[in-house]
Amino acid sequence: NAGVTQTPKFRILKIGQSMTLQCAQDMNHNYMYWYRQDPGMGLKLIYYSVGAGITDKGEVPNGYNVSRSTTEDFPLRLELAAPSQTSVYFCASRTPGRRGNEQFFGPGTRLTVL
Amino acid sequence: GENVEQHPSTLSVQEGDSAVIKCTYSDSASNYFPWYKQELGKRPQLIIDIRSNVGEKKDQRIAVTLNKTAKHFSLHITETQPEDSAVYFCAADGNQFHFGTGTSLTVIP
Repeated sequence: NAGVTQTPKFRILKIGQSMTLQCAQDMNHNYMYWYRQDPGMGLKLIYYSVGAGITDKGEVPNGYNVSRSTTEDFPLRLELAAPSQTSVYFCASRTPGRRGNEQFFGPGTRLTVL
Repeated sequence: GENVEQHPSTLSVQEGDSAVIKCTYSDSASNYFPWYKQELGKRPQLIIDIRSNVGEKKDQRIAVTLNKTAKHFSLHITETQPEDSAVYFCAADGNQFHFGTGTSLTVIP
């Protein structure tokens, strides 16, 4: 299994540009998450999904959108990028319940908005 | 909603000493408490976890204790080594999954 994969690894955007951060998992996990991590800070939840077709806002959803058309994929869309969105973005997935609550993280996407 | 507080935010110890990181949570429905280690430039990775029906769990030099009545849990690292230097996050899983704010641990050789 590849686990959780993210693309791209690095990206530089200009203010006002848009982009989609890709996330995929091959573990058949129902739950998927998007976090952002600013330098020296903790993980802030942007959006999450408990299954295909279901998404919900986390702590810091403004400026982002998500979709979950399949169990495997959970892309994060940035519209009108702003310098405040400069961060490292982590995608994670897990299967809830007694067997596994562990969140598995992708390698991250480092985004800079100039 | 859930609120997970983590202390201290930074911790420096001499190699060979012990390190303790503490977390408190507010949601009584929380029943799963993992600890993640994040090395510089890398993704968070699970190092140990504990469920609400267990009071203590140990894995070599790492142990976690849970006090459900007081709603707090702690990570204990004994015989610290320089490679233990990293940021450690606690989390609580109940109605939602919430991370603490992180502890930057430095082990001084």
